[in-house]
Amino acid sequence: DVKVTQSSRYLVKRTGEKVFLECVQDMDHENMFWYRQDPGLGLRLIYFSYDVKMKEKGDIPEGYSVSREKKERFSLILESASTNQTSMYLCASNSGHYPNSPLHFGNGTRLTVT
Amino acid sequence: AQKITQTQPGMFVQEKEAVTLDCTYDTSDQSYGLFWYKQPSSGEMIFLIYQGSYDEQNATEGRYSLNFQKARKSANLVISASQLGDSAMYFCAMRGPAYSGAGSYQLTFGKGTKLSVIP
Repeated sequence: DVKVTQSSRYLVKRTGEKVFLECVQDMDHENMFWYRQDPGLGLRLIYFSYDVKMKEKGDIPEGYSVSREKKERFSLILESASTNQTSMYLCASNSGHYPNSPLHFGNGTRLTVT
Repeated sequence: AQKITQTQPGMFVQEKEAVTLDCTYDTSDQSYGLFWYKQPSSGEMIFLIYQGSYDEQNATEGRYSLNFQKARKSANLVISASQLGDSAMYFCAMRGPAYSGAGSYQLTFGKGTKLSVIP
């Protein structure tokens, strides 16, 4: 069965800390994505990657960076966490070969920055 | 830029009744795709149904069907015979254009509709 695994379900960090959110997929997918979900705003794309070491900005990249050193792993980095980055973070992946390939999501990481 | 609009923040439906969740979209692309996802209170995102812009038939998957009206740019989700387990957030999403031919298709999401099924 298809699986996208996010390393933490809940995370509490302090303002100014460097935060790493990890995501691993076992489907050999080319594309991986990081979304942020906030009530009333839906899902907003932060960054995506279509190949190893390749990354592209989404709609709200400010304050975030990403790393993709291996095909199966995509990390989201908050260089200096701030309270307005308190949110639910969703990682997803899909195949780059089929236009109708749905995104497969992890269970999410709820990050609280105090 | 692509945009997805879901105008119903919340909806109620009686168990066993049918319900329609609205979704309109805006794009200048000729080739695009539309997806619906369900998010129960547990938080997981579950893919429900897909409709391609060139598909002539409306998509169906079990109790889910997509009422696709291309000229009106709408892609409403119809759930027949609602069940208590259908209570969840529902998101409409649109596939963006391929990025640099690399096969990377982003999805732009609407803000969601919270469906509550009443026994």
